[in-house]
Amino acid sequence: KAGVTQTPRYLIKTRGQQVTLSCSPISGHRSVSWYQQTPGQGLQFLFEYFSETQRNKGNFPGRFSGRQFSNSRSEMNVSTLELGDSALYLCASSLRVDRASYNEQFFGPGTRLTVL
Amino acid sequence: DQQVKQNSPSLSVQEGRISILNCDYTNSMFDYFLWYKKYPAEGPTFLISISSIKDKNEDGRFTVFLNKSAKHLSLHIVPSQPGDSAVYFCAASPAGGTSYGKLTFGQGTILTVHP
Repeated sequence: KAGVTQTPRYLIKTRGQQVTLSCSPISGHRSVSWYQQTPGQGLQFLFEYFSETQRNKGNFPGRFSGRQFSNSRSEMNVSTLELGDSALYLCASSLRVDRASYNEQFFGPGTRLTVL
Repeated sequence: DQQVKQNSPSLSVQEGRISILNCDYTNSMFDYFLWYKKYPAEGPTFLISISSIKDKNEDGRFTVFLNKSAKHLSLHIVPSQPGDSAVYFCAASPAGGTSYGKLTFGQGTILTVHP
């Protein structure tokens, strides 16, 4: 079974621009979560989507948004980029379908975003 | 406020010996815990998990122990191999609707296994 794929793997943008990152989950996985990894803050949860609906959101400004399509693929968008948005953005997929079940999250390789 | 803490930034172990990685948490609502391994330029790889109804879970060379009263968990790797050298992250999730898709991670421990 193919793993989680993320595109692009590397991206360089300048301040003020916007960026869209893409994530394709493992086949059959309907939950997709996004995380930001930086040296200072570690891995931080951005948001989670299931069946095209955002079910959970972390403490990030509104410049960070996402969506999920009917085939479970997900995109995240960052508008008005700031230098501090430079990070590794990770997508994870899971089988989790309800609050009572525990399912592991499987991560993609990430997209390295550099903001100049 | 860091709810999941890995107080040892690094650990160095000889090949064949045991590696013990530790993790503490403060949020009593956490009831599912996971360990991930991460190589540079790659995403985290799931290793092993444990729910709060257990105190031990084993998978091959990896064993996770959970002490709920102390809010502490540990990952044991026996025997350690050079290929285990990586950053290890502890993660936690609460039950209930607020947990959808959200894992809270520790800062990671760099494990180096010397041949």
